[in-house]
Amino acid sequence: DGGITQSPKYLFRKEGQNVTLSCEQNLNHDAMYWYRQDPGQGLRLIYYSQIVNDFQKGDIAEGYSVSREKKESFPLTVTSAQKNPTAFYLCASSIVQGQTEAFFGQGTRLTVV
Amino acid sequence: AQKITQTQPGMFVQEKEAVTLDCTYDTSDPSYGLFWYKQPSSGEMIFLIYQGSYDQQNATEGRYSLNFQKARKSANLVISASQLGDSAMYFCAMREVGGSQGNLIFGKGTKLSVKP
Repeated sequence: DGGITQSPKYLFRKEGQNVTLSCEQNLNHDAMYWYRQDPGQGLRLIYYSQIVNDFQKGDIAEGYSVSREKKESFPLTVTSAQKNPTAFYLCASSIVQGQTEAFFGQGTRLTVV
Repeated sequence: AQKITQTQPGMFVQEKEAVTLDCTYDTSDPSYGLFWYKQPSSGEMIFLIYQGSYDQQNATEGRYSLNFQKARKSANLVISASQLGDSAMYFCAMREVGGSQGNLIFGKGTKLSVKP
C-alpha cells in the first residue's frame, strides 16, 4: 500500500545527544515536510523539500537539520542545539503542483530525559 | 499575524447533532486552498475536505461540508450527524499558491468532544 512511514513511534533522547527521525514515502511525491506539534498547539513547519538535494528552512528550523538524498526519504536530525526538543514530530508529503492535500505519517513522539 | 485562526479551543456536541467548527484565514494571494484535518488521540493527521479559492460551490465529503464565505475569509467545517468517533482535534489549514512554495499553514485547532 502507498503511504508515508515514520519511525520510531517513540524516541527518548538524553540531553546533548543528536537523534534522527526517519520519514519514508512511496507515493512518488516530490515535496516533503517536517512539522513540530506541541501540546494544545497547531503544527509548525521545520523544514521542507520540493526536490531531491534541495530543502528550505521553515518557521522553526533552528536546532534541526535535514537531508534529501532520495526522493523517498527525508530524515530529520534533532541536534543538541535544539533547546526544547520534546514534542510530537510529523512528516508529510504532497505533489508540488496543484492544490492537493498533504499526506501525513503516524508521527514520532520525542522525549528528552 | 496569524494566517489561520480557530477561535474555539474546545467544542461539545450531542451525538447525532450537527456541529460547526470555525476557521478564518488571512491571505493576499488570490489563489489558495483550504483544508481540514482530523487528529485523533493516536496522533495521525487525517485529511477531511478541501476547498479551492476559485471553487464556486462549497465542498462536501460525506458528513463533512465546508461553509466557504470568501468575502469574509471564512471556511467553517460542518459535521452532520455527529458520531462518537468524531471526537478529536480538528485543524484548519491553508496553502497559498504564491507563497512559501505552497506549504500548509495550520491553525491551533479545535478539540471536539461528542457526548453520547
